[in-house]
Amino acid sequence: GAGVSQSPSNKVTEKGKDVELRCDPISGHTALYWYRQSLGQGLEFLIYFQGNSAPDKSGLPSDRFSAERTGGSVSTLTIQRTQQEDSAVYLCASSFGLDQPQHFGDGTRLSIL
Amino acid sequence: AQRVTQPEKLLSVFKGAPVELKCNYSYSGSPELFWYVQYSRQRLQLLLRHISRESIKGFTADLNKGETSFHLKKPFAQEEDSAMYYCALRLSGGYNKLIFGAGTRLAVHP
Repeated sequence: GAGVSQSPSNKVTEKGKDVELRCDPISGHTALYWYRQSLGQGLEFLIYFQGNSAPDKSGLPSDRFSAERTGGSVSTLTIQRTQQEDSAVYLCASSFGLDQPQHFGDGTRLSIL
Repeated sequence: AQRVTQPEKLLSVFKGAPVELKCNYSYSGSPELFWYVQYSRQRLQLLLRHISRESIKGFTADLNKGETSFHLKKPFAQEEDSAMYYCALRLSGGYNKLIFGAGTRLAVHP
């Protein structure tokens, strides 16, 4: 593909529901990252995957958040029992390696009612 | 703790005026600094990184370790430079996660 692809582009759900956000990285990129951007704030690191190594989960805000990367490609970020403070734009990025620039997707705008 | 500070939420200038978007960082290790830009209705994209020491779209940024700054500069702003600009810090030691500032919106008026 031409770039990092994220779906859905927008998601509106009720408080307490679970949501899944998907990220397709650029083909061949071994590293994949998730960030969150709340209104009026910068991007907040959540988690990153590098090849077959254990992911760095140090940025996940609570145990309601989890992420998987299957087959070293597609990643899914899952938020369980959503809260209103989870409302944000969730951005995914990928890079060819740890030393390479990150390329971002368009993001998923998540709104919790 | 590591932190990136962009003190201005909005910078408004006229076309042709010089521009300086400020960025200060806090990090005890060896930093790598980036500027990312997001134009209206486009995705976030890399503008420049300090190790490249290059000029992109007329923008330059110099890492000043003494002042822990990485300000973005352009001598003559253009209307198409209007965008959201984010300064980011990459930690050393094999960690590729980026720490972003809150961003500065640059508005260039005709």
